[in-house]
Amino acid sequence: DTGVSQDPRHKITKRGQNVTFRCDPISEHNRLYWYRQTLGQGPEFLTYFQNEAQLEKSRLLSDRFSAERPKGSFSTLEIQRTEQGDSAMYLCASSKDFLLQETQYFGPGTRLLVL
Amino acid sequence: GNSVTQMEGPVTLSEEAFLTINCTYTATGYPSLFWYVQYPGEGLQLLLKATKADDKGSNKGFEATYRKETTSFHLEKGSVQVSDSAVYFCALYNAGNMLTFGGGTRLMVKP
Repeated sequence: DTGVSQDPRHKITKRGQNVTFRCDPISEHNRLYWYRQTLGQGPEFLTYFQNEAQLEKSRLLSDRFSAERPKGSFSTLEIQRTEQGDSAMYLCASSKDFLLQETQYFGPGTRLLVL
Repeated sequence: GNSVTQMEGPVTLSEEAFLTINCTYTATGYPSLFWYVQYPGEGLQLLLKATKADDKGSNKGFEATYRKETTSFHLEKGSVQVSDSAVYFCALYNAGNMLTFGGGTRLMVKP
């Protein structure tokens, strides 16, 4: 069990550029979640996948954000036309079986800074 | 809707002091409750959890009891160490497919 991994760990970009983050969940975890954490705040839910299906999206996820999990394994989160307000830590988590209310295990996060 | 309220920090304690971090929640039904810890420069790590009323979660000397009557899940430790310095997040899961987090409480332990 290698844990949830995220890449890159840090990203600095200029306003208006597109960025893409990757998350690799724990193997055999069928649920994958994305959260956003701003400085001094708790994480806020963005979206989640059950296998390859994206089943729920938060109102925080504007049209500039898109997430995919094409083969039910890794996931990508893309932000188009980045804005300074997008600067945050983007966290990925995975879990095994929601019916048992299984624990979500978090990756180290990708810290985004938009200049 | 669901919400979690934590005491604001920072909480500053001397080593070996007793720790309490208050957490209360609002939710319908029967949520599961969690404490996560975030050490400097690292991601969130599960500290402990409780899935039903009166359950006590415990790990690494930390404890929290699920109190449905007071809608609380306070975190306690009898003797803190410098290595416990971190940000602690209370969270709930309530069949909404996501965790709802409190704002976090920063703990600073001085030698």
